[in-house]
Parts: sequence; structure tokens; C-alpha cells
Amino acid sequence: GDSVTQMEGPVTLSEEAFLTINCTYTATGYPSLFWYVQYPGEGLQLLLKATKADDKGSNKGFEATYRKETTSFHLEKGSVQVSDSAVYFCALSAHTGNQFYFGTGTSLTVIP
Amino acid sequence: SQTIHQWPATLVQPVGSPLSLECTVEGTSNPNLYWYRQAAGRGLQLLFYSVGIGQISSEVPQNLSASRPQDRQFILSSKKLLLSDSGFYLCAWSVGASRPTGELFFGEGSRLTVL
Repeated sequence: GDSVTQMEGPVTLSEEAFLTINCTYTATGYPSLFWYVQYPGEGLQLLLKATKADDKGSNKGFEATYRKETTSFHLEKGSVQVSDSAVYFCALSAHTGNQFYFGTGTSLTVIP
Repeated sequence: SQTIHQWPATLVQPVGSPLSLECTVEGTSNPNLYWYRQAAGRGLQLLFYSVGIGQISSEVPQNLSASRPQDRQFILSSKKLLLSDSGFYLCAWSVGASRPTGELFFGEGSRLTVL
């Protein structure tokens, strides 16, 4: 079945460091891919998405490219801030659109 | 604009007691609705999803049940809570299957502690 595997945390970085959180997926057909962010005590918010191969999603300085050849959707940011501290979830939507599958989440802490 | 609300935000219940969490969506029609659970230190587990009134799909057999009595209302229930039911419950919606690339929109979450 469809699934998402993402890098386990927790990840601790200094402010202005480069961030990469790895995500790979298994899916039949052509899924859409997402990164969600969860700030402490809150629900999840969409950070970025890509709906087809080679698409690049971007938002708030974060980027991820849909790589079909490596079945990956790695999240990157060139310079993290303290306010980026949160849990990040990689997710996919099956081509039927009714089901969404999430990775286990990666906790990021950015220290000044 | 569309909004999603779930309540209560926080709940402390004894083992063996019943549970009812409610979720409503406003500003859209015939949404797909979802209940997820996030246990401490773990990822999101899909519990139930619904594509229409009275249509419930269960992903994981367990102590919980879901109902969709109205188009934009989704209820998560239990007759007798277990300690293992503790967690953060998230309701979410997406545009119906006519837009299969759509995203999920989440509620604020309900934190359940079973003692």
C-alpha cells in the first residue's frame, strides 16, 4: 500500500544553518506530495505541495522537489530561524484523492 | 471562506467512560472528512474517513467509532475508553474526490487524556 517514510528526529540546528529533512514515498499511480508543519499545541498547516513529477513546492523559504525517479520529496531551507521550530510531516495523497498518508514527523528545534 | 472547528479542545476522562468529539466544517459542501490520532512522540494515524453522509471507512480496528450525521459534521465516539486512547485527535477535511490533488485542512485538535 501507499506509505511515506521520513527522516527521524529530533533535529537541532543553530540559527541560519541549512536544513534538510528527507522523505521518500511508496505509491501506485501518481500521488500528490505535501509538507505540513505543526507548531506546539496546534493542528497541522500546509507548508508546501507538489502535484506532479519535477514540480517544486515552495513557501516561507522552504522548498521541496517531487522526484519520481528517486520517489523522494526532501524538504530544504537555506537558513533556518528560531521561529521554524516545529514538527514537520511529509504526506502523500493517493491518486484517488480520498486518502492521505503521513510520515511519522520530524521535530526541529532551532537554537539562537 | 472555509473553516473547521473541533471540540472540546481538552478532555480528561476516566477509563471506561464514553467519548464524543465533534467536528464541523463551514463554507464548503460535500467535503471528505477525516479523523487522525497523534500519540505522544508518534506520527499521524488515520482512524476514519468519510466521503459522504453515513459513509465511514475505518482504517484501524479499535475501540473507536465515527459517524457523519450531516454533510459537514463528523463525530468520533467511544463507549468505553482505554488508557491507550490517550492522544491528540485531529479532524480534517478536503475537497471531494472531484479534485484529487487537493490538500487537507486541519482543525485545532482535541487533547484526550484517559486516566
